[in-house]
Amino acid sequence: ETGVTQSPTHLIKTRGQQVTLRCSSQSGHNTVSWYQQALGQGPQFIFQYYREEENGRGNFPPRFSGLQFPNYSSELNVNALELDDSALYLCASRGASGRSLVEQFFGPGTRLTVL
Amino acid sequence: AQRVTQPEKLLSVFKGAPVELKCNYSYSGSPELFWYVQYSRQRLQLLLRHISRESIKGFTADLNKGETSFHLKKPFAQEEDSAMYYCALWGGSEKLVFGKGTKLTVNP
Repeated sequence: ETGVTQSPTHLIKTRGQQVTLRCSSQSGHNTVSWYQQALGQGPQFIFQYYREEENGRGNFPPRFSGLQFPNYSSELNVNALELDDSALYLCASRGASGRSLVEQFFGPGTRLTVL
Repeated sequence: AQRVTQPEKLLSVFKGAPVELKCNYSYSGSPELFWYVQYSRQRLQLLLRHISRESIKGFTADLNKGETSFHLKKPFAQEEDSAMYYCALWGGSEKLVFGKGTKLTVNP
């Protein structure tokens, strides 16, 4: 069983560009969440995908979008990058939750720098 | 609105001393509370959750609904406890809400 992996590790973009970040879920997990962690802050929920459908979203503009594939891997796309998008982007995967939240397993993150 | 507050950004104690990391939350329903930890150069991982009512690595946390708190405690801190600690709340929707974190340093 492998853990959650993310690529790339680091990325530098300029303002206005577009970026795609990738996440490979832990085996057996069908739910993926993405978080943005700015410097000195806790992770902030961006959105969640379950069985290829977005089923929850935080306070992020539409230029943050995502995809989940049949193998449950996922992408986070950010268009029209702004300087404030510079952050660590975390992916977390888990199985389906019932009445209690099943443990999420986090990836190592992708460090995005926007110049 | 769901909100998690960790009032201490930094906390420094000596080895063997008790440690308490504070967490207060705001939520109108019955939340599930968690503590996550991030050791240096490692990924974020779950430390404990209130519904488990267990002690992990000597840490315990009790949910106090009256005070809306979920403080993390350990009677005798160890140097290997030095890390970033995040309190998080799940209100039954899809998102997990995190506090800003407390950096714990345990000095020898």
